[in-house]
Amino acid sequence: GAGVSQSPSNKVTEKGKDVELRCDPISGHTALYWYRQSLGQGLEFLIYFQGNSAPDKSGLPSDRFSAERTGGSVSTLTIQRTQQEDSAVYLCASSLRTGQGASYEQYFGPGTRLTVT
Amino acid sequence: QQPVQSPQAVILREGEDAVINCSSSKALYSVHWYRQKHGEAPVFLMILLKGGEQKGHDKISASFNEKKQQSSLYLTASQLSYSGTYFCGTERYSGAGSYQLTFGKGTKLSVIP
Repeated sequence: GAGVSQSPSNKVTEKGKDVELRCDPISGHTALYWYRQSLGQGLEFLIYFQGNSAPDKSGLPSDRFSAERTGGSVSTLTIQRTQQEDSAVYLCASSLRTGQGASYEQYFGPGTRLTVT
Repeated sequence: QQPVQSPQAVILREGEDAVINCSSSKALYSVHWYRQKHGEAPVFLMILLKGGEQKGHDKISASFNEKKQQSSLYLTASQLSYSGTYFCGTERYSGAGSYQLTFGKGTKLSVIP
């Protein structure tokens, strides 16, 4: 089946504009994660969804960042009033995690490269 | 909370072995290992659960020492295809049914002929 898909693959925006990044997880995966990776850096956790709810939003860097997930499937990460420091690759991952019990591997999408000018 | 990986970088000749370490100051539920090649998304290698056994995948294996909250990734008889950045992710239960995976800064592995 299809893997995790993200769109757009690249986004260039002007400082101060809002952007929306989309993630389509693997069908049937209940858990969805957003990460941010700056050039040459590790993966920074942003937010985790279990179904449509987000029990952990602790990684969102500021109130300009928000995310939602509808129908237990597609998720959108929105960044308002973008700043240059928001430039990074935004990665989405999904897994079978049910919120309790065993841990499952995460499958990553190809990412969205965001450049704020 | 971010796990510490060591070494930061390593260069190997084909056929040599390497060990990558990952340590955390927090009690862990599991440890994940991923490999990322330049310009690509991270790819899952293995998970080690608390109380679980050492896992292996082909010539790559890993261990998890619960007492020390440390994990090690072992690459034996390295191949050119092993080149990439290896990330460990330490998973903790953060409450309200939520598990947070925190990644280290990565270890860059280069295998040369």
